[in-house]
Amino acid sequence: AQKITQTQPGMFVQEKEAVTLDCTYDTSDPSYGLFWYKQPSSGEMIFLIYQGSYDQQNATEGRYSLNFQKARKSANLVISASQLGDSAMYFCAMRGVNTNAGKSTFGDGTTLTVKP
Amino acid sequence: DTAVSQTPKYLVTQMGNDKSIKCEQNLGHDTMYWYKQDSKKFLKIMFSYNNKELIINETVPNRFSPKSPDKAHLNLHINSLELGDSAVYFCASSQPGQGAGEAFFGQGTRLTVV
Repeated sequence: AQKITQTQPGMFVQEKEAVTLDCTYDTSDPSYGLFWYKQPSSGEMIFLIYQGSYDQQNATEGRYSLNFQKARKSANLVISASQLGDSAMYFCAMRGVNTNAGKSTFGDGTTLTVKP
Repeated sequence: DTAVSQTPKYLVTQMGNDKSIKCEQNLGHDTMYWYKQDSKKFLKIMFSYNNKELIINETVPNRFSPKSPDKAHLNLHINSLELGDSAVYFCASSQPGQGAGEAFFGQGTRLTVV
């Protein structure tokens, strides 16, 4: 079974500051991928960043970085230098490579509001 | 070029009707999915197809029938629509193999059953 937990229903951050969105997971798969998606008010799902379970280094994509702590089963998203356009809902997700290949599980999401 | 496209974007229909949502991806991916996002924004996988074969069916009522004529298309047909079917339905695709592979989503179809 797979489970994603996002404990922050809503977060606020001041423009230009950094913010961390929490995500913990549970899985029986020895190999899996972790993802973050952004869903703005327009509704589309935008892929942000990916971390493989065997990757030695934390993933980074521009202002996004994934703080992957495998032993703690956490995959927090860090957004640096927040912008007003970052206001959106953010989903953490995972998918198994072998046992649960194809089965994606999403967290309940965190709504981020960036204040000017 | 739109990577994953679904039509229609909006669908308003009466209870009891049958409707279809179409999805096409031009990414050459082997795996396609249907997700349902309810009014609370919870996103749940419904189906997963790999090379036209069903690999995941997450206890979805059999009023929902996915059809994959080829690996680039995964359509969703819904019979006897109910009020509770109102949601946003997302199609997605990914390419497993090297790692789990990120999923690319269509723009969503907002289904409203009245």
